[in-house]
Amino acid sequence: GQQVMQIPQYQHVQEGEDFTTYCNSSTTLSNIQWYKQRPGGHPVFLIQLVKSGEVKKQKRLTFQFGEAKKNSSLHITATQTTDVGTYFCAGKTGGGSNYKLTFGKGTLLTVNP
Amino acid sequence: SAVISQKPSRDICQRGTSLTIQCQVDSQVTMMFWYRQQPGQSLTLIATANQGSEATYESGFVIDKFPISRPNLTFSTLTVSNMSPEDSSIYLCSVVPSGGTHQAVEQYFGPGTRLTVT
Repeated sequence: GQQVMQIPQYQHVQEGEDFTTYCNSSTTLSNIQWYKQRPGGHPVFLIQLVKSGEVKKQKRLTFQFGEAKKNSSLHITATQTTDVGTYFCAGKTGGGSNYKLTFGKGTLLTVNP
Repeated sequence: SAVISQKPSRDICQRGTSLTIQCQVDSQVTMMFWYRQQPGQSLTLIATANQGSEATYESGFVIDKFPISRPNLTFSTLTVSNMSPEDSSIYLCSVVPSGGTHQAVEQYFGPGTRLTVT
């Protein structure tokens, strides 16, 4: 079945440093989504990427979708303590009414103030 | 987006018993899903809750263990039956709001139910 690998599993940074998490799928994706889960909270949708090579920005967050639509990355510039949490990528394969997502294992980001 | 509530928020249960978790959405939604998330782990899809028909279960999950109901477009229940300590986990419902395209499938998650089985 489809697998979505995500690295690193953990990342600890000093506040102000940059952070990147990478996601790689075993199959071509129709789209990829990113979620953030704060400690003790539930996953919250951040963004969706659909097009090959797509790049989207949300303030200090930059999301990329690979040309082959099999990998993606999330980069945070100048981390802040509010960025703490686990970042999950989730891939969707196929089209039509298939709404199922396969989640990566997540990257836990901790930020030292 | 959609506002989702889950009941109970947490529970401690004895092995061999069953617990029913409720998921209520403030608007009609296209799809509802049930996930399990063990502490510090990723989300594992249990099943898709289908309105008016039997749920669609993922590999490793069966209806006898995790019966699901979805009587309408805003409500679903998940029962964890004959519980054992291995069922201790966080159970989350998620929804795909109605009105989106097949490409726009972002999911919105409920706050989760933290289950501990002793």
